[in-house]
Amino acid sequence: NAGVMQNPRHLVRRRGQEARLRCSPMKGHSHVYWYRQLPEEGLKFMVYLQKENIIDESGMPKERFSAEFPKEGPSILRIQQVVRGDSAAYFCASSPLGTGANVLTFGAGSRLTVL
Amino acid sequence: GQQLNQSPQSMFIQEGEDVSMNCTSSSIFNTWLWYKQDPGEGPVLLIALYKAGELTSNGRLTAQFGITRKDSFLNISASIPSDVGIYFCAGQPGSARQLTFGSGTQLTVLP
Repeated sequence: NAGVMQNPRHLVRRRGQEARLRCSPMKGHSHVYWYRQLPEEGLKFMVYLQKENIIDESGMPKERFSAEFPKEGPSILRIQQVVRGDSAAYFCASSPLGTGANVLTFGAGSRLTVL
Repeated sequence: GQQLNQSPQSMFIQEGEDVSMNCTSSSIFNTWLWYKQDPGEGPVLLIALYKAGELTSNGRLTAQFGITRKDSFLNISASIPSDVGIYFCAGQPGSARQLTFGSGTQLTVLP
């Protein structure tokens, strides 16, 4: 009965490197959402995915960021050529099919530090 | 984009006291949610509100969905040390699935 699993919990990267954050939704959940939280701020929506399909990426930066949710395996948030401003906590949430965002279950987050 | 103004930003209260925090928006939301986030963890849903004017309780927590659909408040009665954390309001606009979060209220409960 594991909840939303995110890894790594902490990731350190140097400027210009790539960061990959993984999220396994709760069992039976087919929708995945990624949010970013900067220090001292609330969570900001980035992207909403179903299996093999990006539904809404209106919160994703236009460059360097991408997300996928393959048929098999976890959802991946990929940040290329990281910069210091990418340092943040990235949260994944999942929900069952047919429900709205208000039944989101959040993971514990992945904290990215860019040196 | 839509923004939620959450206040106060932080609160220091004595154990046993009641707490109140609120969120306002310039836009209408169809759903209001209140979350609590502990250090190093993700947000956990406390209360969900679905109708304007709705008043909902969850133990010592009570939240209301404003009549105008542009505001909500959360009350915590008889605070205890484990209430410490950051409380976030969040709104769901229209049929969109994503949530808009407030900036949070950091609650500290003093013994």
